[in-house]
Amino acid sequence: EIVLTQSPGTLSLSPGERATLSCRASQGVNSNTLAWYQQTPGQAPRLLMYDTSTRATGIPDRFRGSGSGTDFTLTINRLEPEDFAMYYCQHYGPSPTFGQGTKVEIK
Amino acid sequence: QVQLVQSGAEVKKPGASVQISCKASGYTLTANYVHWVRQAPGQGLEWMGIINPSSGRTTYAKKFQGRVSMTRDTSTSTVYMELSSLRSEDTAVYYCAKAGIIGGGYKWFDPWGQGTLVTISS
Repeated sequence: EIVLTQSPGTLSLSPGERATLSCRASQGVNSNTLAWYQQTPGQAPRLLMYDTSTRATGIPDRFRGSGSGTDFTLTINRLEPEDFAMYYCQHYGPSPTFGQGTKVEIK
Repeated sequence: QVQLVQSGAEVKKPGASVQISCKASGYTLTANYVHWVRQAPGQGLEWMGIINPSSGRTTYAKKFQGRVSMTRDTSTSTVYMELSSLRSEDTAVYYCAKAGIIGGGYKWFDPWGQGTLVTISS
């Protein structure tokens, strides 16, 4: 089973700033098996990115995914108020796993 | 639009079983695998298993093997997840989620159901 470690645990930023979220895998994974989700309180997770860098339908282009091997990054440019949320990375291999999450909070 | 609608909140006693339904609309249930994921209060996401609604074939996470059962009713476009021998640690929100592409089981999850809160309390 692949373990995903996200950092930082919490990111305190202001609207308009850039957020950089990291997801590190315990072993190398194919880039077409890595996704990112956004979750706001009381809501189900929402797909943001799949295959490392493909934005899901309706996701604005200020969200960018990158990475390969064991290190993956979600970058959010020019944070909007609705972007302050919890973010999870996911490896969707034969035994899917999730990172523990990064909270992006308003500074 | 593609949607998964889950059954309502449940309160169960330790040792009991719970069954949650997940009704699909906006697409053909049998075209995409469905996953189940849970989230304990204030915690992260935990994968429980997958069902192929076309064949009924399932694969469960090792942690839940022997306690979980996933089934489907194609006539109503509904999948079900039953968890037995409930204990306090099973208190969580349970989600169903559709696999992202037709015929692809282990793909991204999109969309997710709204979640079902299961509370285990004596």
